[in-house]
Amino acid sequence: AQKITQTQPGMFVQEKEAVTLDCTYDTSDQSYGLFWYKQPSSGEMIFLIYQGSYDEQNATEGRYSLNFQKARKSANLVISASQLGDSAMYFCAMRENRGGATNKLIFGTGTLLAVQP
Amino acid sequence: DVKVTQSSRYLVKRTGEKVFLECVQDMDHENMFWYRQDPGLGLRLIYFSYDVKMKEKGDIPEGYSVSREKKERFSLILESASTNQTSMYLCASSPKRYNQPQHFGDGTRLSIL
Repeated sequence: AQKITQTQPGMFVQEKEAVTLDCTYDTSDQSYGLFWYKQPSSGEMIFLIYQGSYDEQNATEGRYSLNFQKARKSANLVISASQLGDSAMYFCAMRENRGGATNKLIFGTGTLLAVQP
Repeated sequence: DVKVTQSSRYLVKRTGEKVFLECVQDMDHENMFWYRQDPGLGLRLIYFSYDVKMKEKGDIPEGYSVSREKKERFSLILESASTNQTSMYLCASSPKRYNQPQHFGDGTRLSIL
């Protein structure tokens, strides 16, 4: 069965520093997709970044990058130059393969990031 | 930009009431989803729909039903609300293409008293 594990319930980071949020996954499939979402205290879920299992390069989107280590089954999110507005809950998710193009996602339990001035 | 609109940000209902949560998306997406979110449990899928009038159970469908009569609208129904259904409910949509992200609404914080 597919599974996403986020082992950090919460963490602090100083403003302007980089931070890594951990995500490990479990799947027996060769083709899969990994997503990261941000959820501020207001509640909406914001898509940040996507990594496909066959992508040779690590995904990047502005200050967000994904440290994809396929052999270790990890897909850690790196936020560079943290800003106060980065304080939020962050969720890692994986596309459920038997869902096909329905793009069903399996979510981790999330990491709460607090950026300190 | 994709817009997913949930009918209410906050809702308070009584035990035993029939509750309707509405979700509308404006991007002609085939797939729509309803999740509930509880502290420490992440997001759990209640139901999803991959086409008009089509629906499938997610991980926690008990006590819920859904309706998708039009492509843009996906409704979640609590047939007889109970206190353990107090939660944050999130609606999402995505196109029917591999590895496209889901786009979420702002969520509805539902309290059942």
